[in-house]
Amino acid sequence: EPEVTQTPSHQVTQMGQEVILRCVPISNHLYFYWYRQILGQKVEFLVSFYNNEISEKSEIFDDQFSVERPDGSNFTLKIRSTKLEDSAMYFCASRFRETQYFGPGTRLLVL
Amino acid sequence: KQEVTQIPAALSVPEGENLVLNCSFTDSAIYNLQWFRQDPGKGLTSLLLIQSSQREQTSGRLNASLDKSSGRSTLYIAASQPGDSATYLCAVDMNRDDKIIFGKGTRLHILP
Repeated sequence: EPEVTQTPSHQVTQMGQEVILRCVPISNHLYFYWYRQILGQKVEFLVSFYNNEISEKSEIFDDQFSVERPDGSNFTLKIRSTKLEDSAMYFCASRFRETQYFGPGTRLLVL
Repeated sequence: KQEVTQIPAALSVPEGENLVLNCSFTDSAIYNLQWFRQDPGKGLTSLLLIQSSQREQTSGRLNASLDKSSGRSTLYIAASQPGDSATYLCAVDMNRDDKIIFGKGTRLHILP
C-alpha cells in the first residue's frame, strides 16, 4: 500500500540554522499539508499546498517558513533560521478525496 | 473558530474492559471526523473516518459514532488489550480540501 514518507526521521540543529524537511506524498494525490506537534501539545496545521501554490497557512507559518514542490514528487518544508520553539514533530500529509494520509514525521530538535 | 476537545485527557482501565473515549467540537458544520492512534514518539495512524452524513463506523473492536448536531463523537473500544495503549486523537475536517483540526487526545493505558 502506498505511503507518505518523510526524511530525515530525526534532525538536531543549532538555533539560527536553516533546516529542510522532506516529504514524498503518495503519487496520485494533489493536496499536500504540513502539521507540527510540539511535545505534549496538539497537532497543529501549518500550511496546505495545491497546484504548486499555498492554499492556506496558519499564523504559525510566518516568513521563516517556506514550502516547495521542486520536482513533482518531493514536498519540502524549509525553516530559514530555526528557533528553540521550532522543536517539534513535523508531519507531512497528502490527500485523496476525503482522507488525509500522514507520514511518520520528522522529529526536529533545536539547540 | 472550530475547537476540538477530548475528555478524559488520560484513562487507565484493566485489560478486557470496554471503554468509551469522548470528543466534542464547537462548529457542527463538519465535512468528516476522524479518529487517529498515536504511539509515543510516533506518527498518526488513521483508525476510522466518519462522513458527516454517517452515524457510525466500525473496524474490528472499534466503533466510532457521530452526532453532528450536538457536536459529539465517541470511540468505543471493546474487550481492551494492552496493545491498545496509546494516545487517541479526534480530528475534524471542515471542508473536503481543508486542513484537519485536532483535539489534544486521550492517553489510554490498558493494565495487564
